[in-house]
Amino acid sequence: GAGVSQSPSNKVTEKGKDVELRCDPISGHTALYWYRQSLGQGLEFLIYFQGNSAPDKSGLPSDRFSAERTGGSVSTLTIQRTQQEDSAVYLCASSFNFPGQGGGYTFGSGTRLTVV
Amino acid sequence: GNSVTQMEGPVTLSEEAFLTINCTYTATGYPSLFWYVQYPGEGLQLLLKATKADDKGSNKGFEATYRKETTSFHLEKGSVQVSDSAVYFCALSDVSGGSYIPTFGRGTSLIVHP
Repeated sequence: GAGVSQSPSNKVTEKGKDVELRCDPISGHTALYWYRQSLGQGLEFLIYFQGNSAPDKSGLPSDRFSAERTGGSVSTLTIQRTQQEDSAVYLCASSFNFPGQGGGYTFGSGTRLTVV
Repeated sequence: GNSVTQMEGPVTLSEEAFLTINCTYTATGYPSLFWYVQYPGEGLQLLLKATKADDKGSNKGFEATYRKETTSFHLEKGSVQVSDSAVYFCALSDVSGGSYIPTFGRGTSLIVHP
């Protein structure tokens, strides 16, 4: 597509429920990144994919968080048993190759997750 | 590890005022430096970049110069407009230092009044 598409744009869920956040990167971009943006905080790196593989999962906050990418395209970030501290904007970015030197990262508009 | 420190906001200015948003960094290697802008309800967009010392990145009237001696990359604009109201993020990418993931600052909110 023309840009990075994320869905849903907003999600309100009850504490303890599971949620899935979707990212559709720019066609042909091999690298995909997930960040979390909390109120008053910077961007917290969560995980990146090179193709379908995720070499480094150390940025995921807990084992309730997981992510996958299939077909070198769409990625899903899953949060199990959501907690109120998971409330944030989840941003996805993609780049043509890895690493995206030269600032070649394109961000989506994010998914605003609210856990009540 | 790598880090980016930005001045805290919000920065509130009147239209046509001069803008400076300070950014300093620490990095293991020789990073590339970026400024991203996030308008309300949108994702981050690359505003400008610089890949080596003394380079000046510029776009839409904004400028920032890569100062290795002071490890800084301050963002400036001579005359801000209401439409510049947004959150600005300073970032670095330090591939030479072995860090493949860009590091972002906390963001500085800019509010421009007519």
